[in-house]
Amino acid sequence: KNEVEQSPQNLTAQEGEFITINCSYSVGISALHWLQQHPGGGIVSLFMLSSGKKKHGRLIATINIQEKHSSLHITASHPRDSAVYICAVLTQGGSEKLVFGKGMKLTVNP
Amino acid sequence: DTEVTQTPKHLVMGMTNKKSLKCEQHMGHRAMYWYKQKAKKPPELMFVYSYEKLSINESVPSRFSPECPNSSLLNLHLHALQPEDSALYLCASSQDRRRNQPQHFGDGTRLSIL
Repeated sequence: KNEVEQSPQNLTAQEGEFITINCSYSVGISALHWLQQHPGGGIVSLFMLSSGKKKHGRLIATINIQEKHSSLHITASHPRDSAVYICAVLTQGGSEKLVFGKGMKLTVNP
Repeated sequence: DTEVTQTPKHLVMGMTNKKSLKCEQHMGHRAMYWYKQKAKKPPELMFVYSYEKLSINESVPSRFSPECPNSSLLNLHLHALQPEDSALYLCASSQDRRRNQPQHFGDGTRLSIL
């Protein structure tokens, strides 16, 4: 079992829909990252959070430390949101290594 | 636009060639990372440099040789690569090695080994 699990693995939505991407982890963490990767490569860091909730534009990220679960919400989705969304955790214990989930491919159709 | 610049964007090389990948950041970050990413897989950590010193080598084959000549530059020297080394190579940086510091990624170099 992976230390970081994401669901669903793929999601197709219509423009304007509200989208939720889930991430569960099984290890102690110091922080959790939500990353976005468009086809062709580059990774953009959307959020880093260790508690509570953060909002940036149409994106909202929440984390529940007790339940070891985080969600990324996209409101009023747009075709340009089509990308792979990756959850990654910074594990506790002195390591600066990120442990990545397998990612979720989102396709938003016009 | 990304604050971490990687060159070249694409590289095709034969198995006997020697080439280098370059990564540059001017954010004053003192930790820099190399990742390898195969298609439809998450990135895998290869190396971590902290204050220009190699701090993590994830058992990477010696045909990959990292170098950090100064705090802004990170190179990855390639020699005698195998076809299975074809992948996207991503560089990232963070303020330092302390936890809770976000990593900033470059756009990557897509490497193809013939």
